[in-house]
Amino acid sequence: GAVVSQHPSRVICKSGTSVKIECRSLDFQATTMFWYRQFPKQSLMLMATSNEGSKATYEQGVEKDKFLINHASLTLSTLTVTSAHPEDSSFYICSARDRGTGGIEQYFGPGTRLTVT
Amino acid sequence: KQEVTQIPAALSVPEGENLVLNCSFTDSAIYNLQWFRQDPGKGLTSLLLIQSSQREQTSGRLNASLDKSSGRSTLYIAASQPGDSATYLCAVLQGAQKLVFGQGTRLTINP
Repeated sequence: GAVVSQHPSRVICKSGTSVKIECRSLDFQATTMFWYRQFPKQSLMLMATSNEGSKATYEQGVEKDKFLINHASLTLSTLTVTSAHPEDSSFYICSARDRGTGGIEQYFGPGTRLTVT
Repeated sequence: KQEVTQIPAALSVPEGENLVLNCSFTDSAIYNLQWFRQDPGKGLTSLLLIQSSQREQTSGRLNASLDKSSGRSTLYIAASQPGDSATYLCAVLQGAQKLVFGQGTRLTINP
């Protein structure tokens, strides 16, 4: 149980275009989802916290107009990188908390490798 | 601001050895501490979660300890195997919401 998927697993896009990444909880409902970014050989940094039906809360230094987060249902959150640039190339990982258990443990997706050329 | 540090950054040992990975954190007001494993280009696999009220957790060949007052945790791996090669991440949960990660230890087990 507690499986989180991400789509796509890899994406290459040209500079200036936008790309959408999906995060789904497959066997549970998630009122809260989290988006992280990981640069090569570095640790995960929290970008934003997404609550179903409300606006995301962004960490300091993360541009909310560049990284658009939508959490329209209890099983899906999306991250859209707008006007992507090469410096946005990174590994993006989402996680989700199980609403049913009421627990605070986060279940992580497999990640999405974004390369901007 | 919570800071999590992992030492060493990289470790290479022969197969069969027991080893210890270290994690320290600056703010002891945590909900729990979690150890993860990350294979290259992959997501995270949760290994052990220690609640703030607990001292240790065990799963198979893995044992994690937590000393909240001193801001330290260790991950002990017994009888290491080549399949244990990965990056191990330590993370603390603050405010029941925010996970703060260390930089990780890249572990290589040599056959």
